[in-house]
Amino acid sequence: TQLLEQSPQFLSIQEGENLTVYCNSSSVFSSLQWYRQEPGEGPVLLVTVVTGGEVKKLKRLTFQFGDARKDSSLHITAAQPGDTGLYLCASSSNTGKLIFGQGTTLQVKP
Amino acid sequence: DAGVIQSPRHEVTEMGQEVTLRCKPISGHDYLFWYRQTMMRGLELLIYFNNNVPIDDSGMPEDRFSAKMPNASFSTLKIQPSEPRDSAVYFCASSLTEKTQYFGPGTRLLVL
Repeated sequence: TQLLEQSPQFLSIQEGENLTVYCNSSSVFSSLQWYRQEPGEGPVLLVTVVTGGEVKKLKRLTFQFGDARKDSSLHITAAQPGDTGLYLCASSSNTGKLIFGQGTTLQVKP
Repeated sequence: DAGVIQSPRHEVTEMGQEVTLRCKPISGHDYLFWYRQTMMRGLELLIYFNNNVPIDDSGMPEDRFSAKMPNASFSTLKIQPSEPRDSAVYFCASSLTEKTQYFGPGTRLLVL
């Protein structure tokens, strides 16, 4: 079973700072998804990356897929309090099910 | 468009009682998933359906848990009897494919 490790587990920063969170696996990802979950809500899909080396941007968020497709990163520029939440990475298992990492809890203080 | 609808949003019950969680997927979605989220174990897939048929229930913790999907617009997750360790947030998600899933707001269950 593919396991996804996310780091750091918790991150507390000031508004305006930059940050990067990571998602790693010992296995190759077929594709990888990033979700954000706000307090009291369900996860919401942010992006899907498929090709090794792929970079996708969503406003101040930059998602990168490693060349070997075994790791991914999410970089947030000039974080805002609205970015606060749990960031989850997920990948499809051999059976097609989505496997989620434990997540990175981000707190952005005004 | 309405997203995935779950009810109730909050449930507090006593150990030994039956709990039924409900989900209405997005219209037209062929896949429906039930997840459980806890601080210790994160987000875990319990069971998923394709075209109302259970495909994989290997994540269902034990026989106390059961799920049904009698039609394309409704699913239930039942816990009988409930135990304190079942306390968690239960999410329902639906999708057109197995990969891009849309989550409901969750049901927060507390078993005393």
